[in-house]
Amino acid sequence: SQQGEEDPQALSIQEGENATMNCSYKTSINNLQWYRQNSGRGLVHLILIRSNEREKHSGRLRVTLDTSKKSSSLLITASRAADTASYFCATDDQAGTALIFGKGTTLSVSS
Amino acid sequence: DGGITQSPKYLFRKEGQNVTLSCEQNLNHDAMYWYRQDPGQGLRLIYYSQIVNDFQKGDIAEGYSVSREKKESFPLTVTSAQKNPTAFYLCASSTLSGINEQFFGPGTRLTVL
Repeated sequence: SQQGEEDPQALSIQEGENATMNCSYKTSINNLQWYRQNSGRGLVHLILIRSNEREKHSGRLRVTLDTSKKSSSLLITASRAADTASYFCATDDQAGTALIFGKGTTLSVSS
Repeated sequence: DGGITQSPKYLFRKEGQNVTLSCEQNLNHDAMYWYRQDPGQGLRLIYYSQIVNDFQKGDIAEGYSVSREKKESFPLTVTSAQKNPTAFYLCASSTLSGINEQFFGPGTRLTVL
């Protein structure tokens, strides 16, 4: 049961540029989370945005949420090579007991 | 040093064998989860547990089994009934505060020989 779908699937940029990735979901949510995964590693939580929030910032990360369009975006400003990773959005399942992850966006930042 | 650990990091299995993947957490989290990740794919939920001695099937539970005898531990057994077990397995934990922020272990890569 795929809830979130990220777009694009892959993104290649130069250091210093901004990276934007999008997530669309199907059903109503309580909150939406973004996670990062370095190659061959576990996921790391980046940021959570609640359904009654429209925008949230954390360092170089900016997340927006549009519940009317059932979509979210993650912006990474001034990208660094160390930002190279896969990024996943996740939403609660209908029972609110587990997360449903999208397939992720693979970001490659070259120096 | 709080966190969630998984072992082994790499595991090789012969066809027909059962193997058990370990997951331990010292975060005092009530909920624990097992996910499977295939190349280029997202995470798919295998099993989860919110309390000791209780667990629920996820989307792809067939061919897997779990136990939750202790709050800190949630081992996953990949049985011979799982036809395509080669994958990256991730364990996670969270509180039951209503905000389901999950903390992940480093993963176990299982390969069937």
